[in-house]
Amino acid sequence: DGGITQSPKYLFRKEGQNVTLSCEQNLNHDAMYWYRQDPGQGLRLIYYSQIVNDFQKGDIAEGYSVSREKKESFPLTVTSAQKNPTAFYLCASSKFQTSGNTIYFGEGSWLTVV
Amino acid sequence: AQSVSQHNHHVILSEAASLELGCNYSYGGTVNLFWYVQYPGQHLQLLLKYFSGDPLVKGIKGFEAEFIKSKFSFNLRKPSVQWSDTAEYFCAVMAYNTDQLIFGTGTRLQVFP
Repeated sequence: DGGITQSPKYLFRKEGQNVTLSCEQNLNHDAMYWYRQDPGQGLRLIYYSQIVNDFQKGDIAEGYSVSREKKESFPLTVTSAQKNPTAFYLCASSKFQTSGNTIYFGEGSWLTVV
Repeated sequence: AQSVSQHNHHVILSEAASLELGCNYSYGGTVNLFWYVQYPGQHLQLLLKYFSGDPLVKGIKGFEAEFIKSKFSFNLRKPSVQWSDTAEYFCAVMAYNTDQLIFGTGTRLQVFP
């Protein structure tokens, strides 16, 4: 099946620990994204990547890091520097088209830091 | 910078009522516009999108949206809602030829039978 796979779906971590969320897509999409969803705030862009080995900061990149070593994979690391890491994280991808890009989402990962 | 406003945070309707959810954006150039829906416990799904052409766009499940360029708006409508439309709805904007999709804060729709 084609799609965007995020893992794990639920993750608990102690404060001060780094944690990495996985995102894999087999849609041959060029761009990949990480969003954070908080109640009442909608989705906010953390990082995005248009091509392999390149990525750009979104609106709330502080305390996060990413890598894009392969087209299919865009892992997100939530570092101990992120002040409020407990949230729902969504990975997405899109394919470049001259008419416009449509972004598709994975099922999300719930991160709880205690 | 682009921004998206969804003024209705929580909407409660009875089945068969008509729905209109507001969405306004701020960006002076050409935009691509989207509505996404998130049903309880499920991931975000694309409801409909506007790239160009007819400003009245039809999506899945009987939803439609109208792009009014002069008002910077892309309101979502459905003539008769069903209980199964209970979900959170997000409007999103992408400036043409960019890859940054900016979301509104979402509107929670509850439909009672």
